[in-house]
Amino acid sequence: GAGVSQSPSNKVTEKGKDVELRCDPISGHTALYWYRQSLGQGLEFLIYFQGNSAPDKSGLPSDRFSAERTGGSVSTLTIQRTQQEDSAVYLCASTTSPRGNTGELFFGEGSRLTVL
Amino acid sequence: GENVEQHPSTLSVQEGDSAVIKCTYSDSASNYFPWYKQELGKRPQLIIDIRSNVGEKKDQRIAVTLNKTAKHFSLHITETQPEDSAVYFCAATRGGSQGNLIFGKGTKLSVKP
Repeated sequence: GAGVSQSPSNKVTEKGKDVELRCDPISGHTALYWYRQSLGQGLEFLIYFQGNSAPDKSGLPSDRFSAERTGGSVSTLTIQRTQQEDSAVYLCASTTSPRGNTGELFFGEGSRLTVL
Repeated sequence: GENVEQHPSTLSVQEGDSAVIKCTYSDSASNYFPWYKQELGKRPQLIIDIRSNVGEKKDQRIAVTLNKTAKHFSLHITETQPEDSAVYFCAATRGGSQGNLIFGKGTKLSVKP
């Protein structure tokens, strides 16, 4: 499809395990965002990429969280030594940044992470 | 860094009434202010946005107003319908025109038939 694709859609893991969440943005979109949404809560910013670089990673909650983007396309969010408070839906979004300006964000369906 | 405050957190209106949601932001460099609608179990989708060179923008029953001096912007929905029921998020850029988007905590709007 032509939309933002995220995988896995659901992930159940045990406390202390590492997880990797993948985001495949819309082709040609230069900017990519990761947000976290806990049950009934807002969109908590995690990290933002322009191309392969991350001008703003201030939202990462701790050093257990990291993200990378390669080839200006796919991004991976890694959570090491997961904790129960990491349970949430992790949303990825991408945009074209037309004329250098922030444009409409297109969100993926999200990856629901449950840490037991 | 940018902080976006959104009020109210919940809003209940009768069908046909108007609904207003307000947001304030802290970064004076912010110049792009979108609004997203998230229906239950679905992904957020853009419904309207405004850039800092205009004070108001309308799209059918939806309008957004911006007051840069006061650093606040509002979403107005007129003639509400049950299908308007959703969570609405405001956002503002951090770091100028090509920057990160910081979201408010959301407003759950319920439109009663």
